[in-house]
Order: sequence, then C-alpha cells, then structure tokens
Amino acid sequence: EAQVTQNPRYLITVTGKKLTVTCSQNMNHEYMSWYRQDPGLGLRQIYYSMNVEVTDKGDVPEGYKVSRKEKRNFPLILESPSPNQTSLYFCASSRDQATRRNEKLFFGSGTQLSVL
Amino acid sequence: KQEVTQIPAALSVPEGENLVLNCSFTDSAIYNLQWFRQDPGKGLTSLLLIQSSQREQTSGRLNASLDKSSGRSTLYIAASQPGDSATYLCAVYPSSGSARQLTFGSGTQLTVLP
Repeated sequence: EAQVTQNPRYLITVTGKKLTVTCSQNMNHEYMSWYRQDPGLGLRQIYYSMNVEVTDKGDVPEGYKVSRKEKRNFPLILESPSPNQTSLYFCASSRDQATRRNEKLFFGSGTQLSVL
Repeated sequence: KQEVTQIPAALSVPEGENLVLNCSFTDSAIYNLQWFRQDPGKGLTSLLLIQSSQREQTSGRLNASLDKSSGRSTLYIAASQPGDSATYLCAVYPSSGSARQLTFGSGTQLTVLP
C-alpha cells in the first residue's frame, strides 16, 4: 500500500532533550516536506526536499533540522526542543515538484509532540 | 507574501444539503490549487487539484472551481452525508519565485448532522 509513515504517533518530551521524528515513503517520491499545524495558524512548512541531498527552508525552520540521505526517508530533528515547538507535525511527499508541479501531496498520519 | 483565507471557520448543515466551502488567496500567480480533507487525528487527504489553466474539477459528489483572477475557489459538496464531516483545507502552489511550497488556509470544519 502506498503510504507515508511517520513515527512516533505521539511524543512527550522535556525541554532540551534531542529528538527525531522519522518519515518514510514507499512511492519513490522525489519531493518530501515537513509541516506543523497549530490552532488558528493552519499548516506551516518547516523544511522541504526536492530530492536526495537537496533540502531547503520553509516558513518556520528555526529550531529544526532535516536530512535527506536516502530518497525514501526524511527525518525531522529537534536538537533542543522548547515548549513553543509543541504542535502536530506532518510529513508529506509527492512526485517531482521541480518539473511536474501538478502532483498531489500525500500526507502521513501526524505526530503529536508535547514539549514540557 | 501569499495569504489563503477560508471562511467560515466552521459550518454545520443537516444531512442531504448541498453546500459550498470558500477559499480566497491574495496572489493570483498560482500554479495550482488543491483541496484537502482532514479527519480528526489523521493526516490530510488530497481531494481535488485544479491547475491554473482549469476552471473546475469534479470527483463524485465534489466539484471544485477556480477563478484565478479574483483569487477565489469554491468546493461544492452535493447531497452531504455525515461521513463528509471533517475539516476541509485549500492550498495554493506558486507559479513564480523559487518557493516550492504550498500555502494553506486554516480550514473549514464541516459537521453534517444526521
């Protein structure tokens, strides 16, 4: 089944403790992206990747890191989480957005992160 | 900077009604517009994608229209059912600049009452 898989589904952590949220897709998609969703603010893009080893900042990249060493994986890293990073996080992927921009975006089920 | 607005934020209708959800955007230089559905505790599912050269797209009971010049899109849901209850979001993809990212609206939370 074609899907975007995020783990974990729920995560509670404390300020300053490094964490990684994993994202994997099995559709051979070039494009992958991370969003956070907050009440009243909607979905905001954190980082995106057009292909392996190519990443770029979205609207709210501060406090986050990403890497794209393999096509299928796009982990989100919080080196020193803070309470304002408490949010619902989504990973998404699609086929090549550089040359074929009319491609639907597929989303993972989300990771609810709470930073205490 | 592109801004996407969805009004109303919430809508409640009785089962069987036809309804329209609205989406407006400030910059008409878009490549496409997508409508998504989000169920509670779940990710987003793409419903319809309208390219900038198109006026509408249809899928089953859903019909999305696009008026790029006025910066508006509507999602029409025919004969609504309780299973249609969800949050509906629209998002636009820019046609200019280096950004390769969608800008989302905040969504309309739809409740269809049995």
